[in-house]
Amino acid sequence: QVQLQESGPGLVKPSETLSLTCTVSGGSVIIDSYYWSWIRQPPGKGLEWIGYIYYSGTTNYNPSLKSRVTISVDTSKNQFSLKLSSVTAADTAVYYCTRDRNSGDYMDVWGKGTTVTVSS
Amino acid sequence: QSALTQPASVSGSPGQSITISCTGTSSDVGSYNLVSWYQQHPGKAPKLMIYEVSKRPSGVSNRFSGSKSGNTASLTISGLQAEDEADYYCCSYAGTSTYVVFGGGTKLTVL
Repeated sequence: QVQLQESGPGLVKPSETLSLTCTVSGGSVIIDSYYWSWIRQPPGKGLEWIGYIYYSGTTNYNPSLKSRVTISVDTSKNQFSLKLSSVTAADTAVYYCTRDRNSGDYMDVWGKGTTVTVSS
Repeated sequence: QSALTQPASVSGSPGQSITISCTGTSSDVGSYNLVSWYQQHPGKAPKLMIYEVSKRPSGVSNRFSGSKSGNTASLTISGLQAEDEADYYCCSYAGTSTYVVFGGGTKLTVL
């Protein structure tokens, strides 16, 4: 079955750019009706959707983060990536990549998550 | 502050039933039958338990059920088991711009 694995630096300095990659195994990012999202969870808090990408390159971002977020897809590597610029301590969280059925229906596959700490 | 409102905690004894509510607005829960529920054990990723208000993915126990009335969705767990102790999050589609909104989560304690 489809599995997702996040990777990237666990520590990022304030004002720098957070970069994470999600590798898809057991399936392809090129699949109709599925979207690929990033979701984060600050320590002890709830879930926040960051944005999604479709294999065609279509993106949609959380309005509250839109000015700092870029999500891209590399179909040749079966990966999609997140860049979040100008980070602060408030961006410290566990970051999950997910597979979303249709657009906003449900997230049926989740990565295990990766912890990113913003600190100097 | 989360977009959807859930109780911070609920509890029940083994074998009992509990219900977790999730209150939104006419812009999300009330407008779409696209409410999903996720179970999260400590240190683990969330797991899809209910989608499209009341549908269960393959492999999820039929002790889990979902419903919706107006702007409020509900998750009911019957025949509580120790393994059900976890955090539960509701999620609703909220339109093309906002996409999805989550509840703040409910901690379920099995006494």
